[in-house]
Amino acid sequence: GAGVSQSPSNKVTEKGKDVELRCDPISGHTALYWYRQSLGQGLEFLIYFQGNSAPDKSGLPSDRFSAERTGGSVSTLTIQRTQQEDSAVYLCASSSARGGEVGQFFGPGTRLTVL
Amino acid sequence: AQSVTQLDSQVPVFEEAPVELRCNYSSSVSVYLFWYVQYPNQGLQLLLKYLSGSTLVESINGFEAEFNKSQTSFHLRKPSVHISDTAEYFCAVILPGGRRALTFGSGTRLQVQP
Repeated sequence: GAGVSQSPSNKVTEKGKDVELRCDPISGHTALYWYRQSLGQGLEFLIYFQGNSAPDKSGLPSDRFSAERTGGSVSTLTIQRTQQEDSAVYLCASSSARGGEVGQFFGPGTRLTVL
Repeated sequence: AQSVTQLDSQVPVFEEAPVELRCNYSSSVSVYLFWYVQYPNQGLQLLLKYLSGSTLVESINGFEAEFNKSQTSFHLRKPSVHISDTAEYFCAVILPGGRRALTFGSGTRLQVQP
């Protein structure tokens, strides 16, 4: 497609359940980022993938959060044993090989609600 | 570490009036600067960016921002706003050569009134 796509657009889950969020970056973009947008914390960086390099996980808030990127394209963000404070909009972005300096392109986000 | 401050959480303005959304950053080294816009119920869109060169950068819809190194600012301006400019605006920075993720300000909600 022409832009970054994310699925699902909305996810409601019960506390303690695991969830998987998917991101399809723009074709040819080697860099992929996950961010979280919440009322209390604003926009926060979570994790960054660049090509075949080891991901930068420095923004993950706890070990319940993990992400992988298969084949240098699609990425999945997994949250285990979800908590109510995980409720937020999870945004994925991709960029060309210059590491986002020319601009990162964002998907529409997945709104996660943990009951 | 770098940080971004957007002092105004909300800016109400009448249609066709000028507006300035303020952004200050804190960094011991040079950074790249961005403004993103988020329209209601939509994702983030890149509005404009400063990497190097001319300190005044413009977007296609009439916004402009000026990089001021001495004041560590990157304020966003528009001489005449439209109702359709109502949105949340985020200032962000990237540290060249460092972690490639954006560090965002807290956002400014621009409310254009008729």
